[in-house]
Amino acid sequence: AQSVSQHNHHVILSEAASLELGCNYSYGGTVNLFWYVQYPGQHLQLLLKYFSGDPLVKGIKGFEAEFIKSKFSFNLRKPSVQWSDTAEYFCALYTGTASKLTFGTGTRLQVTL
Amino acid sequence: GAVVSQHPSRVICKSGTSVKIECRSLDFQATTMFWYRQFPKQSLMLMATSNEGSKATYEQGVEKDKFLINHASLTLSTLTVTSAHPEDSSFYICSARGSVSGEVYETQYFGPGTRLLVL
Repeated sequence: AQSVSQHNHHVILSEAASLELGCNYSYGGTVNLFWYVQYPGQHLQLLLKYFSGDPLVKGIKGFEAEFIKSKFSFNLRKPSVQWSDTAEYFCALYTGTASKLTFGTGTRLQVTL
Repeated sequence: GAVVSQHPSRVICKSGTSVKIECRSLDFQATTMFWYRQFPKQSLMLMATSNEGSKATYEQGVEKDKFLINHASLTLSTLTVTSAHPEDSSFYICSARGSVSGEVYETQYFGPGTRLLVL
């Protein structure tokens, strides 16, 4: 069965610090990978997605993620976080076999001024 | 583009009544729609998957007679919580999967959620 792991449950950073949130998955075949963000009191929004091609994908709000197939990873990065980036971040995996998204448990990011 | 709406955003009902939640994909056709439940400070729990014109596929442990799903068109799905009880109080989120204009691949987009409180 496929699964997604997000090892950082709660991350606290100061504004302007660099961010890297880990995401690892288990599945041996072709994958589509996503990062979603949920701001306080709001719904899930798509940050970025990987289907194929360039493993470094850029998303909205300065976020990027790199798909490293050999490591089964899809870590999310941002060079300099802002207070407004405070949110819950979810990594998700889609495979044709399951035909549904498998979510990680989420990482709560708190950015302090 | 890629907007998914849900109605109502919040509903309070008495125990034993039924509640219907609508989910619409506003600017794309959704080949598949999903219904999730989210508990406080937790990830989303998939309840069921529905394709237009077909019966929904429910996840293990989800009562299909309690959570009725109708997927009438490529842009509308409804979730009816029948004979709701306080333990059904939760945040219900729908999601629609499809290709927005110009996209090659399908992506899943999420609605804003419906907060259900059963008294």
